Amino acid sequence: GESVGLHLPTLSVQEGDNSIINCAYSNSASDYFIWYKQESGKGPQFIIDIRSNMDKRQGQRVTVLLNKTVKHLSLQIAATQPGDSAVYFCAATSGGYQKVTFGTGTKLQVIP
Amino acid sequence: KAGVTQTPRYLIKTRGQQVTLSCSPISGHRSVSWYQQTPGQGLQFLFEYFSETQRNKGNFPGRFSGRQFSNSRSEMNVSTLELGDSALYLCASSLGGGATEAFFGQGTRLTVV
Repeated sequence: GESVGLHLPTLSVQEGDNSIINCAYSNSASDYFIWYKQESGKGPQFIIDIRSNMDKRQGQRVTVLLNKTVKHLSLQIAATQPGDSAVYFCAATSGGYQKVTFGTGTKLQVIP
Repeated sequence: KAGVTQTPRYLIKTRGQQVTLSCSPISGHRSVSWYQQTPGQGLQFLFEYFSETQRNKGNFPGRFSGRQFSNSRSEMNVSTLELGDSALYLCASSLGGGATEAFFGQGTRLTVV
């Protein structure tokens, strides 16, 4: 079955620097990818998504890159702020949108 | 508009009991998905309901069940609770189904003792 894994459980970044969170997936049939942010005590919050026919998508201060060749996904956060401190999950879907497989999450710590 | 509402927020149950959790989706959303979140296993998909029909199901035992009502509100039930069922149970709603911009509730923290 599908597995999705993040490369680092914890990432510490200086405020103002750029953050890069990486994710690998196993199923080459995955066709839709999502990044979520989960703050303590809250449910996951949608950040940005990308479909398999794209390799880059930009949002406000965030960019998602997709490399289908190596089955790798990354989330880049520009000018990281204290409010960005949270756990970030990548998720992949295949065979129907609701069969979603989540990665284990990377905790982003922003150092003031 | 109001977000996804899950009740109760916290629950403590004893092994062997059963529990029912409730989820009210965002108004107009017809799809509700349920997830179990634990430190060891992360977020795992339980099932998805759309227009009162279960459309997708994850790999959980039959003790986990759910339903959706005509107003799109959904409930999930866990029978014969086990210690390992202790988790944060999250529901997410979306307009037409799918993970596309799904909105999550704050979850129900279930502790089985």
